[in-house]
Amino acid sequence: SSELTQDPTVSVALGQTVRITCQGDSLRSYYGNWYQQKPGQAPRVVIYDKNNRPSGIPDRFSGSSSGDTASLTITGAQAEDEADYYCNSRDRSGNVVFGGGTKLTVL
Amino acid sequence: EEQLVQSGAEVKKPGDSLKISCKGLGYSFTNSWVGWVRQMPGKGLEWMGIIYAGDSETRYSQTFQGQVTISADKSISTAYLHWSTLKASDTAMYYCATYDYVPGTFSVWGQGTLVTVSS
Repeated sequence: SSELTQDPTVSVALGQTVRITCQGDSLRSYYGNWYQQKPGQAPRVVIYDKNNRPSGIPDRFSGSSSGDTASLTITGAQAEDEADYYCNSRDRSGNVVFGGGTKLTVL
Repeated sequence: EEQLVQSGAEVKKPGDSLKISCKGLGYSFTNSWVGWVRQMPGKGLEWMGIIYAGDSETRYSQTFQGQVTISADKSISTAYLHWSTLKASDTAMYYCATYDYVPGTFSVWGQGTLVTVSS
């Protein structure tokens, strides 16, 4: 079955830029999506289909993709960006896969 | 505004059955996919399955195939997640979300339903 691999923890200094990555074979065929989840809240999509932002998501969030790796970049991280971030994609069979999640700490 | 509204928290005993619901508001539920995602305490997101409300075409994760049943009633814009026999290990938060099939995006999420299974 498909798998997506994320670093469990990442930290960034306030105002600096951070990249969170997601690696897996399914990303060679389908772009990744990114979700932010804060404690006690439902996840929300911050980037979909490689680099599209839903309305209401700040433009400091951006996405990119190369080969089997999708990336979420936060340019000028803010304290409110501290959260868990999950990537996901689908595979050729129509199955869905999530990454294990990355806990982002803003120092 | 698109919304998914889930049923309330449940406390059940091992061996009980349970069906939780997810009602779509503000969009064409019939022409859409809805997915279910499990989050066990302190853990990550796990895809359980998806259903197309128009014809109830369903796809399950191998992990959850045979363990749960996903259904939908398009006449009332509601999707369901059903267990026939609950186990303590089913204790988790369960989210429904609208699913855009080609990019594989879960776009709009419900607020979650906490299911606690304990003797």
